Amino acid sequence: DTAVSQTPKYLVTQMGNDKSIKCEQNLGHDTMYWYKQDSKKFLKIMFSYNNKELIINETVPNRFSPKSPDKAHLNLHINSLELGDSAVYFCARSPGTRGGGETQYFGPGTRLLVL
Amino acid sequence: QQPVQSPQAVILREGEDAVINCSSSKALYSVHWYRQKHGEAPVFLMILLKGGEQKGHDKISASFNEKKQQSSLYLTASQLSYSGTYFCGTDAYSGAGSYQLTFGKGTKLSVIP
Repeated sequence: DTAVSQTPKYLVTQMGNDKSIKCEQNLGHDTMYWYKQDSKKFLKIMFSYNNKELIINETVPNRFSPKSPDKAHLNLHINSLELGDSAVYFCARSPGTRGGGETQYFGPGTRLLVL
Repeated sequence: QQPVQSPQAVILREGEDAVINCSSSKALYSVHWYRQKHGEAPVFLMILLKGGEQKGHDKISASFNEKKQQSSLYLTASQLSYSGTYFCGTDAYSGAGSYQLTFGKGTKLSVIP
């Protein structure tokens, strides 16, 4: 039981649109993440966030922004969607504060297709 | 920096053994192993902390050589259910008290009857 949920499971949209993906975890874990997995299956971290700090991967375009309304949620907002944004986006959680050696528990993923 | 996994793909018959390797150019705090089946999320298999320990459950085990910054995943007497893509994730210190987990490109394992 990973206890991480994501909505929607599938998202098909047009270029230029703005969309959000929601993520919720119910174990009160401190750290949440967003990963992007492209068509070549490369799993790349985009953001890690705990209630103290947002860590941004410098290669992520600023069209992507994580928003955390509370400890249980870390939503991903994407502005001006591009074709290259098509991928599977995974939310994940870990119990600690990124002190190293923390297991990542992944949500089911959101399959984004930009047309 | 991304760890390097080898091989990129391997095909096994049921009952055969396999080894998947993961190496990094950075000093590592820990190594993670995950398995992802098609259309599903990565699932945690095990984590190895620095100290050279070996871990395992069932017929899947792993080792971590801290000095060489390498880890290997051992699958013995493979079963059809072992099929999937195996990712290693390396944990390295990124500054300000935080660690960065970086995944390799994955090893696609196919077990056939």
